Amino acid sequence: GAVVSQHPSWVICKSGTSVKIECRSLDFQATTMFWYRQFPKQSLMLMATSNEGSKATYEQGVEKDKFLINHASLTLSTLTVTSAHPEDSSFYICSATKYGGTYEQYFGPGTRLTVT
Amino acid sequence: EDQVTQSPEALRLQEGESSSLNCSYTVSGLRGLFWYRQDPGKGPEFLFTLYSAGEEKEKERLKATLTKKESFLHITAPKPEDSATYLCAVQAESGGSEKLVFGKGTKLTVNP
Repeated sequence: GAVVSQHPSWVICKSGTSVKIECRSLDFQATTMFWYRQFPKQSLMLMATSNEGSKATYEQGVEKDKFLINHASLTLSTLTVTSAHPEDSSFYICSATKYGGTYEQYFGPGTRLTVT
Repeated sequence: EDQVTQSPEALRLQEGESSSLNCSYTVSGLRGLFWYRQDPGKGPEFLFTLYSAGEEKEKERLKATLTKKESFLHITAPKPEDSATYLCAVQAESGGSEKLVFGKGTKLTVNP
């Protein structure tokens, strides 16, 4: 199998606060983890790519100081949305590729963030 | 720039009515083309990877094929539980990046 979990599945926070989302690969070690956001009825937009023990690579237009990514181990990556604002409300999804595997990305169930 | 275009945007079928979804792509050297299924409010579920033109893969009622410019996802005798959005994505060989470029998806509805 290739199971990826995310926690929390949904979160509501007040404007100006920070929120941390965890992404775990449960039954495999992940070479690389990816963070996406998805707006209603739109496709996935890659935010950043992270490898264990190194700095994340952010896509053009994504604020690295606002979306902090930490990839502390081969099974855990976290995304922290700092000083959240209502426009950060979205569906955040992580994915992972298997260490020693091929290129398929396995996705988590997503986290719905609402900033009030 | 790598691009993926999926058609149609939405498709309604009657149960048992077979059809195909299209994914056209332009990429500077294809490493792989991926099909995913996404249910509302959930993350995408991996279906297939295709690596080279002429390759085909099957899983239950789904069959994916690949040419040098496009991929098709054929759905044979669909059931209501096949209703979902089907996403196509490509990964380029160049640059060493593993990033996927996604199309906007085809929303499939299968009526009983």
